[in-house]
Amino acid sequence: GAGVSQSPSNKVTEKGKDVELRCDPISGHTALYWYRQSLGQGLEFLIYFQGNSAPDKSGLPSDRFSAERTGGSVSTLTIQRTQQEDSAVYLCASSQGRPTDTQYFGPGTRLTVL
Amino acid sequence: RKEVEQDPGPFNVPEGATVAFNCTYSNSASQSFFWYRQDCRKEPKLLMSVYSSGNEDGRFTAQLNRASQYISLLIRDSKLSDSATYLCAANAGKSTFGDGTTLTVKP
Repeated sequence: GAGVSQSPSNKVTEKGKDVELRCDPISGHTALYWYRQSLGQGLEFLIYFQGNSAPDKSGLPSDRFSAERTGGSVSTLTIQRTQQEDSAVYLCASSQGRPTDTQYFGPGTRLTVL
Repeated sequence: RKEVEQDPGPFNVPEGATVAFNCTYSNSASQSFFWYRQDCRKEPKLLMSVYSSGNEDGRFTAQLNRASQYISLLIRDSKLSDSATYLCAANAGKSTFGDGTTLTVKP
């Protein structure tokens, strides 16, 4: 079946512009996660959705970052007024929502802020 | 202190070697544990779940020690294709990942 998909795969933007990153989770998965990974670094947790609500948004690095999920499916991560330090790969993962469930990752969006 | 910690390596081993990675977690409420593999410039993919009794999948063996709060991954007879970064994860409602251990298997 279809896995987690993300778009765009690559995004180059100028400093100060806003960007929107999209994640389509596996159908039926209630939990959705956003992570950020800088080159050569580990996964940095950003936000977690269970259905449409976000019980844990503790990882969002600043108020320039926001995310929403509608219809319990697609999620959008928005970064306003992008900075060069926002350059990274943004990964989305989904799971069935139980603590024992495996997370399945999308291919990521590589964001470059010039 | 990070919630999940791993030795970053790198581990450089010859083909055929046995290599072991350890990972410690600090949240005692963690209920499930996983090892993921991440190839360069790719997304992480599940390698195996880790069960209390230990589990094996071919050349890979995972162990969990709840008392000491660590999990391990053993790779036997390593292959060139095992070269990757290995991430451990502990789930206490949501998964927390370690930063990964890099393995390079050389001819």
